[in-house]
Amino acid sequence: AQTVTQSQPEMSVQEAETVTLSCTYDTSESDYYLFWYKQPPSRQMILVIRQEAYKQQNATENRFSVNFQKAAKSFSLKISDSQLGDAAMYFCAYKKKGGSEKLVFGKGTKLTVNP
Amino acid sequence: NAGVTQTPKFQVLKTGQSMTLQCAQDMNHNSMYWYRQDPGMGLRLIYYSASEGTTDKGEVPNGYNVSRLNKREFSLRLESAAPSQTSVYFCASSFHREKLFFGSGTQLSVL
Repeated sequence: AQTVTQSQPEMSVQEAETVTLSCTYDTSESDYYLFWYKQPPSRQMILVIRQEAYKQQNATENRFSVNFQKAAKSFSLKISDSQLGDAAMYFCAYKKKGGSEKLVFGKGTKLTVNP
Repeated sequence: NAGVTQTPKFQVLKTGQSMTLQCAQDMNHNSMYWYRQDPGMGLRLIYYSASEGTTDKGEVPNGYNVSRLNKREFSLRLESAAPSQTSVYFCASSFHREKLFFGSGTQLSVL
């Protein structure tokens, strides 16, 4: 079964600095999707960034970028120029392409942004 | 466009009571899901529906039933609530099977 591990329960960063959140996953599949979701105190789940496993290029969305290392099964999220609004729980998630409908989540990393 | 709408947002039940969580999406998505979120556990899939008329068990289905009433609506029923079902419940939907859109969640407490 696929598993997703986020080894950092909590992280903190100074405003305007850069922080990297770690995620590793376990799968025997060769093609799949990886996601980072943000959950602010409002509880809403917000998609931050998505990566398709067959694409070599790392995904970027404005200040958010990923470092996707397929062989190492690693998918870290880098937040540049951190803002107070980035404070939230961040969840890494995996989804097999085709077939299974399951999106498997890690346990989350709580990010605090200090002014 | 409302997206994914869940009701109620909050609910308190006594052990043994039953209730149904409602979910509706207006994005014409084929797939719909129910997750529960517990502290330190991330989100775990309870049930999902790949298309109208089909439902399948997820990771933690015990104690729950679902109904895919039509393409828009996917309800989750607790027949006899237990304190272990105290959680935040999220409904989600997707069209292309990879990007999920989430509702705002239901905070359920079972006393």
